Amino acid sequence: AQSVTQLGSHVSVSEGALVLLRCNYSSSVPPYLFWYVQYPNQGLQLLLKYTSAATLVKGINGFEAEFKKSETSFHLTKPSAHMSDAAEYFCAVSVYNFNKFYFGSGTKLNVKP
Amino acid sequence: DADVTQTPRNRITKTGKRIMLECSQTKGHDRMYWYRQDPGLGLRLIYYSFDVKDINKGEISDGYSVSRQAQAKFSLSLESAIPNQTALYFCATSDSPGQGSNEQFFGPGTRLTVL
Repeated sequence: AQSVTQLGSHVSVSEGALVLLRCNYSSSVPPYLFWYVQYPNQGLQLLLKYTSAATLVKGINGFEAEFKKSETSFHLTKPSAHMSDAAEYFCAVSVYNFNKFYFGSGTKLNVKP
Repeated sequence: DADVTQTPRNRITKTGKRIMLECSQTKGHDRMYWYRQDPGLGLRLIYYSFDVKDINKGEISDGYSVSRQAQAKFSLSLESAIPNQTALYFCATSDSPGQGSNEQFFGPGTRLTVL
């Protein structure tokens, strides 16, 4: 079975500071991992995905994530936060047949001026 | 035009009423999904369909039913709405494995309030 844990339901950073959103997964088979972003009153939009190629994945809007098998983690980072990054971020896991996606509970990112 | 559309975008209804939420897609994907989003719980899978003749229950299917009318259309029904079904509902689509990008594409959501 697969599951995802996102540590911290709310994260607050100052504009220009490092963004770090944590995601740990559990999977009995090699996972595929995703980060989605949800802006207010909108659906989810893919930020980046890991599908067994490079372990450091670069996504849109300057975000990146690193797959660490030994730590079962897929943390999302951005070197310098912008006000426009304020949103809710979801980590998700799937497996080879992509039958189901399992989502974490989400982390709301607040960016302070 | 949006690839995945949902109607209505907002709905307020009363306990006991039957409600249908509709989802249409122009992406040509075989797979479609219905999720509900509640604060602090993330997205939970209600039903999913891998083609017109294939319907599967997700983790929270009680109180819901679905219909896959065509490859492009997947409807979610609440036969007798109750207040704890108040939530944000999302439709999503994806390719079959090996056919495309292996990600899910989401509609804009339907905010349902049951009084």
